Amino acid sequence: EIVMTQSPLSLSVTPGEPASISCRSSQSLFLQSNGYDYLDWYLQKPGQSPQLLIYWGSKRASGVPDRFSGSGSGTDFTLKISRVEAEDVGVYYCMQGLQDQVTFGGGTKVEIK
Amino acid sequence: EVQLEESGGGLVRPGGSVRLSCLASGFRFRDYDMYWVRQAPGKGLEWVSFIHGTGRRIQYLDSVKGRFTVSRDNAGNLMSLQMNNVRVEDTAVYYCARLPGSFGAWGQGTTVIVSA
Repeated sequence: EIVMTQSPLSLSVTPGEPASISCRSSQSLFLQSNGYDYLDWYLQKPGQSPQLLIYWGSKRASGVPDRFSGSGSGTDFTLKISRVEAEDVGVYYCMQGLQDQVTFGGGTKVEIK
Repeated sequence: EVQLEESGGGLVRPGGSVRLSCLASGFRFRDYDMYWVRQAPGKGLEWVSFIHGTGRRIQYLDSVKGRFTVSRDNAGNLMSLQMNNVRVEDTAVYYCARLPGSFGAWGQGTTVIVSA
């Protein structure tokens, strides 16, 4: 099992300020055969199901604002929000999709100050 | 538009059984691997099972092996999760999901409560 570790557990951010979430995997998520990192980022807004933000470590999903960006490779990844807005509140999860048994980070709760 | 709709949740006694269903639409169902992911009250996301697009490769979370069975009907665009001998710790919202990568899509979830 690939263990996913996220930090911090929670963030309180002033609107318009940046935010950053870290995700580390217990083994590399890079697949040499296609050059992709199998790391996705999801946001679960209160009372909703998770919605895809970033896939393959850095590709923004359709309809996701460009204030969201993903970076990293191998075992260390980061999700950045350039300017947090009120609608960005919720819990952010990283997920590895390298194995059939996908695994998730513990989540980072983002709230607005 | 990709849509995943779960159904079948409810209140079930410990040791009992319940069958969850996931009806898919908006994409060629047979071409995609499908997942069940659960979320216990106030907790994070936990993978439960995987089924390959052909149905020929299946994986389970260790704690549900021997109790849960996943299946799919590609003709009917339907995935199911048969949950037998349920335990209190199986209480959760169960999501049907198409993963990983750019395929990522989730249903709204169906709630299973295991309680005497």
